[in-house]
Amino acid sequence: AQRVTQPEKLLSVFKGAPVELKCNYSYSGSPELFWYVQYSRQRLQLLLRHISRESIKGFTADLNKGETSFHLKKPFAQEEDSAMYYCALSGWSGGSNYKLTFGKGTLLTVNP
Amino acid sequence: DTGVSQDPRHKITKRGQNVTFRCDPISEHNRLYWYRQTLGQGPEFLTYFQNEAQLEKSRLLSDRFSAERPKGSFSTLEIQRTEQGDSAMYLCASSPTSDTQYFGPGTRLTVL
Repeated sequence: AQRVTQPEKLLSVFKGAPVELKCNYSYSGSPELFWYVQYSRQRLQLLLRHISRESIKGFTADLNKGETSFHLKKPFAQEEDSAMYYCALSGWSGGSNYKLTFGKGTLLTVNP
Repeated sequence: DTGVSQDPRHKITKRGQNVTFRCDPISEHNRLYWYRQTLGQGPEFLTYFQNEAQLEKSRLLSDRFSAERPKGSFSTLEIQRTEQGDSAMYLCASSPTSDTQYFGPGTRLTVL
């Protein structure tokens, strides 16, 4: 069974401070990991995926298979980063990935 | 707007009534997904289609739930004999094969 754990429901930091949103996963194969973000009154949207190894809006995430973690980091938080962040995992079946398993989400608040 | 659209955005119904939701995916996306999200939880997978074929259904999808995707374009999700526990946000997502899922705004169902 696949599972995603986000241990923090709420995270509050000050503008300019570093931020790390934790994500741990459980999956027997080789998963693909994602971070999705939902800003206030907007739809869920992809922030980044581990396979592309990109930095989006200053955020990065490294897949650590040994620790089964995919923590999201940003060195200097901005007020516009305030949002709900979901870590998600996609398993593989028949040679392609499909359904996403989400964590419960972390609400990030960046204070001025 | 070329994104995923869902209709209606809100639905209030009485227990025991039937409801139907519609999802219009991004044009030419052959995969379509339904998720359900309750308060304090991340989205949970319900079912997915590749073109018109429904390839997987979650155990969350009881016999009262049925989904269709005629002609591989829009999809409908019907809930028969609604119960208060069905109150949730119902999300639709679409993707090209094996790629990023793009989410719609969701339909919020309230069962009184």
